[in-house]
Amino acid sequence: GAGVSQSPSNKVTEKGKDVELRCDPISGHTALYWYRQSLGQGLEFLIYFQGNSAPDKSGLPSDRFSAERTGGSVSTLTIQRTQQEDSAVYLCASSSRRETGADTQYFGPGTRLTVL
Amino acid sequence: GQSLEQPSEVTAVEGAIVQINCTYQTSGFYGLSWYQQHDGGAPTFLSYNALDGLEETGRFSSFLSRSDSYGYLLLQELQMKDSASYFCAVRALTTDSWGKLQFGAGTQVVVTP
Repeated sequence: GAGVSQSPSNKVTEKGKDVELRCDPISGHTALYWYRQSLGQGLEFLIYFQGNSAPDKSGLPSDRFSAERTGGSVSTLTIQRTQQEDSAVYLCASSSRRETGADTQYFGPGTRLTVL
Repeated sequence: GQSLEQPSEVTAVEGAIVQINCTYQTSGFYGLSWYQQHDGGAPTFLSYNALDGLEETGRFSSFLSRSDSYGYLLLQELQMKDSASYFCAVRALTTDSWGKLQFGAGTQVVVTP
């Protein structure tokens, strides 16, 4: 079946504008994660969703960042009043989240955000 | 809190063996995973260790010592295509009693001819 998809693949915006990034997880995966990766850096956890539970927002860097997951599937990450330091690749991942095992995460190709 | 440490870069020649170490500190622990990421690509899962010992998958092996809070990824018979970043990630307990992956900063492996 299809993997995790993200759109757009690239986004260039002006400082102060709002942006929305979309993630379509693998069908049937109950867990969905958002990460941020700056050039040459590791993965910075932002937020994750599991089923109908309240999302874990502990990684969101400021209140300009928010995310929703509708119908337990598609997720949108919104960044308001973008700043230049928000420039990064935003990665989405999903997993089937079993009780045991690796909780293997399947990543999308990412959205490269550039804030001018 | 949680923290993971791994070397920032390792360089080796084709055919060599590379070991990437990862030490971690977590409040509770489920297992240690490894992911590979090529430049411009998405991370992909390589291996997972929940119990002490060595797991082998082809040219790649992963080791875990829970008592030492330590693991490593062993890359054997290095090939040029193995040039990539390698991340260790820990599944650790969080408030929802399930756990989420915490990634290390990554190790850039450079394979030279």
